[in-house]
Formats: sequence, structure tokens, C-alpha cells
Amino acid sequence: GENVEQHPSTLSVQEGDSAVIKCTYSDSASNYFPWYKQELGKGPQLIIDIRSNVGEKKDQRIAVTLNKTAKHFSLHITETQPEDSAVYFCAASRYSSASKIIFGSGTRLSIRP
Amino acid sequence: NAGVTQTPKFRILKIGQSMTLQCTQDMNHNYMYWYRQDPGMGLKLIYYSVGAGITDKGEVPNGYNVSRSTTEDFPLRLELAAPSQTSVYFCASSPIRTGTGGEAFFGQGTRLTVV
Repeated sequence: GENVEQHPSTLSVQEGDSAVIKCTYSDSASNYFPWYKQELGKGPQLIIDIRSNVGEKKDQRIAVTLNKTAKHFSLHITETQPEDSAVYFCAASRYSSASKIIFGSGTRLSIRP
Repeated sequence: NAGVTQTPKFRILKIGQSMTLQCTQDMNHNYMYWYRQDPGMGLKLIYYSVGAGITDKGEVPNGYNVSRSTTEDFPLRLELAAPSQTSVYFCASSPIRTGTGGEAFFGQGTRLTVV
């Protein structure tokens, strides 16, 4: 069945450095790719998303890239700050489906002071 | 601005007991979802609803039931709790289908332990 693989499962970076989280998906019909951030004790929150008709999207310090041919997409966080410490989930879904949003297993990002 | 509210936040159940996880949203969203999050895993969809009176199964519906009598409320029922249902449960809502770019708003979660 469809799945989304996410790497790495844990990531520790020095404050100010960049962090990259990578995901691959199996369903070639997927065309919407959101990223969620989950802080301790809270539910996930959407931070950025990308549709299949664009290859890159940026919002301040975060950016997402998509390679549809390779079925890869990545989250890039630049100039990391302590408040970036959280668990990040990628997800993939088909544009017309209410149920088929498949989440990756998550990446626990820690920012070292 | 409450958003999505889940109760309780924590619960310990004995095997075979029943309980209902409550979820309510005040954003007038049509779509509501229940997910479970196991340690080190992503979220798995249990059930979802596209509007009052309409529910459908997700990826892992066995052992659960839902109802949607109003737009605001989407309770999740566990009839005979089993250890495999130990997990963190998240309720979410969205104004349009998440697959079409509708942002899902999540509650804070219910941590359930079955012993």
C-alpha cells in the first residue's frame, strides 16, 4: 500500500545551522505534501505545504522542495533557533481524497545552544 | 478561540472496559478526523467524517466506532479496550478536504493506556 518514509528519525544541529529532513512517497498519484510540527504535549500544526505543480516553496526560514520524478520531498530549516526543537512530520495525499493523507514516522529535531 | 478540544487528556483503562474520547471544534469545519499516534510512528487515520451524519473508515478502524450527530462533535468510542489500543489519540478538523490543501487543526491529544 501507500507509504511515506521519513529520515532521519532524530536530528541534532547547532543553533544557527541548517536542518534538512527528507521524505519519499510511494503513491505516484500524490500531489499535495504538507509538513506538520508537533511541540511537546501538543497536537501537530501545519507549518508549510507544497503542491505537485511547484518544485519549491519558501516561507521565511523554512522551505520545502519536491522532486516528483524521484518521489522525494524535503524540509529545509535555516538559521535554526531553540524554538525549532520539535517533532516534524511529512505527509502525502491525493488532491481529491479526504482520507488518504499518509504521514511519515516523524523526525525529532533538537537544537543545541 | 478554542479550536479543537479533546477530553480527557489522560486515561488508564483496564482490558475489556469501554470509553468515549470526546472531540469538539468551534470553527464550523465540515471535515473531522481521528488519528492514533504510536511511539516512533506517524499518525494513522482511524475514522473521518465529511459532515454531520456521515462517517467513514480510515486505515485502522477495527475496535473503534464514531458518530457525528452535529457539526461540532465527533466522539470516538472504544467498546472493548485492548492493550493494542494503547496510544495517543488526536482529533482534527479542517474546512475542506486535507487532500485538497485544507489545513488540519489538531487537538492536544488523549494519552490512553490499556492495562
